[in-house]
Amino acid sequence: GAGVSQSPSNKVTEKGKDVELRCDPISGHTALYWYRQSLGQGLEFLIYFQGNSAPDKSGLPSDRFSAERTGGSVSTLTIQRTQQEDSAVYLCASAFGHEQYFGPGTRLTVT
Amino acid sequence: DAKTTQPTSMDCAEGRAANLPCNHSTISGNEYVYWYRQIHSQGPQYIIHGLKNNETNEMASLIITEDRKSSTLILPHATLRDTAVYYCIVRVALGATNKLIFGTGTLLAVQP
Repeated sequence: GAGVSQSPSNKVTEKGKDVELRCDPISGHTALYWYRQSLGQGLEFLIYFQGNSAPDKSGLPSDRFSAERTGGSVSTLTIQRTQQEDSAVYLCASAFGHEQYFGPGTRLTVT
Repeated sequence: DAKTTQPTSMDCAEGRAANLPCNHSTISGNEYVYWYRQIHSQGPQYIIHGLKNNETNEMASLIITEDRKSSTLILPHATLRDTAVYYCIVRVALGATNKLIFGTGTLLAVQP
């Protein structure tokens, strides 16, 4: 079956611009996560959605970062006024039970 | 969630068993041990998880010591495609937030 998909796969943007990253989770998965991975680093948790509960935003690095999940399915991560340190691979995962399924990620480059 | 300690890197000959250790001496009674791996330029992939008993699936076996302070992931017949960073993660299974806290993992290099 279809896995987690993310778009775009690559995004190059200028410093100061806003970007939107999209995640399509596996159908029926109630939990959705965003992580980011800087070059050569481990994964860093950003935000977590579970059903209709309030999201856990504890990992968002600044108020320039926000995310929403519409209809309990698709999620969008928005980064406003991008900075060079935002350059990373942004990974989305969905889960039902123990196992998290990761998408291929969006590679964001801020020039 | 408890922290884990893993070797930075390991080598393994193709066709041999790869044994990847993980220390989690501060693990709590309700915390599970999870293993994920990340092949270069891909998202992480779930491998296996366990609480107290040893577990086996089509990918690997997980051996957890009786005191639960350490575990070993075993890939019985490593192939070149198993070259990846392997992450050992400890967390409460269905707590308020099921985020995964990734450490630096072990880079397993399978040699031909």
